[in-house]
Amino acid sequence: KAGVTQTPRYLIKTRGQQVTLSCSPISGHRSVSWYQQTPGQGLQFLFEYFSETQRNKGNFPGRFSGRQFSNSRSEMNVSTLELGDSALYLCASSLDGDLTEAFFGQGTRLTVV
Amino acid sequence: KQEVTQIPAALSVPEGENLVLNCSFTDSAIYNLQWFRQDPGKGLTSLLLIQSSQREQTSGRLNASLDKSSGRSTLYIAASQPGDSATYLCAVNSRVGGKLIFGQGTELSVKP
Repeated sequence: KAGVTQTPRYLIKTRGQQVTLSCSPISGHRSVSWYQQTPGQGLQFLFEYFSETQRNKGNFPGRFSGRQFSNSRSEMNVSTLELGDSALYLCASSLDGDLTEAFFGQGTRLTVV
Repeated sequence: KQEVTQIPAALSVPEGENLVLNCSFTDSAIYNLQWFRQDPGKGLTSLLLIQSSQREQTSGRLNASLDKSSGRSTLYIAASQPGDSATYLCAVNSRVGGKLIFGQGTELSVKP
């Protein structure tokens, strides 16, 4: 069965622009979580959506937002990009977000110049 | 606040050696613990999931144990191969709605 698909794989944006990343979970999975990975901070939780509702949010500024659609696909948006937003953004899907195994996509590498 | 620590940060071993990676966490109130592998520039590949009620899980040459009361997990890799070279991450599900808290990882290098 198809895994978690993230698009695009690579992005280069200019400071001040905004960006939207997409994540298609494994069929049947209702939970999608987003993480930011940087060399200095490691993997940090951004937010989690379950059945179109945000259930949990990490400690990131309001410039980071997300949403989930009725087919469980999720998007993450970052507005007013800063150089420090350069990172690998990973999404994970699971059946319920709590008790079941999380599967990750290949990530989107965002570079802000 | 849940914190996850992995020791060592890096490990280099000759091919064929058995090895153990360590993961510790500060709050025992977890749903489960998951071990992942990450190759450079790639996403995470799930290796093993241990529920809080379980003591260990096995998959091929991998065996993961969980001691919730002491806040420890180990990942045992038998007969290591160069293809096992990667960063290994452990993560706990902290019962806060779909949030995994990760350790910093152990970078493993297996030399032929």
